[in-house]
Amino acid sequence: GAGVSQSPSNKVTEKGKDVELRCDPISGHTALYWYRQRLGQGLEFLIYFQGNSAPDKSGLPSDRFSAERTGESVSTLTIQRTQQEDSAVYLCASSLRTGPSDGSYEQYFGPGTRLTVT
Amino acid sequence: AQSVSQHNHHVILSEAASLELGCNYSYGGTVNLFWYVQYPGQHLQLLLKYFSGDPLVKGIKGFEAEFIKSKFSFNLRKPSVQWSDTAEYFCAVNVGYSGAGSYQLTFGKGTKLSVIP
Repeated sequence: GAGVSQSPSNKVTEKGKDVELRCDPISGHTALYWYRQRLGQGLEFLIYFQGNSAPDKSGLPSDRFSAERTGESVSTLTIQRTQQEDSAVYLCASSLRTGPSDGSYEQYFGPGTRLTVT
Repeated sequence: AQSVSQHNHHVILSEAASLELGCNYSYGGTVNLFWYVQYPGQHLQLLLKYFSGDPLVKGIKGFEAEFIKSKFSFNLRKPSVQWSDTAEYFCAVNVGYSGAGSYQLTFGKGTKLSVIP
């Protein structure tokens, strides 16, 4: 079946511009995560969506970052007034989420969007 | 907040050599532990996971990992590596928050494994 898809695969933008990154999770997966991977670093958690619950935004690095999700489908991550330190690979993941004790459910990752801010 | 340390940045092995990649985490409570692998040009994919029960976990492609609670470790092992195991390996942990309810993964920085034929 189809996995997690992300678009665009690559994005080059000038400092100060806004960018929007898209994630299509696996159908039926109610949980969706955004992570960022800067060069030489592990993945950093950004934001989490689960159904109609309020998102967990605790990982967003600044108020220039925001994300939305419509129901249990597509999510967009928006970065306003991009800075060079925003250059990274942005990864989206989705998982099943059926109850409070399901931290063991596998997160399936997309291919990522490589963002370069010049 | 929890953190994950992977001791080796880059490991180079010959085919048939044994592999052990170190992973330590810092969190005093119950954790779920994962190893993910990223082959060149491919997505991150799950190798294996531990959440309860037998601390020796077997995953795909002959990999296994042992959870040692007293050492806060979850080292990855494979008795005999192949050229096709060349990849980057990430250790990750999540904890069961009852507040925000987010099962976010905290990742180590990754270990690049190069297997020489």
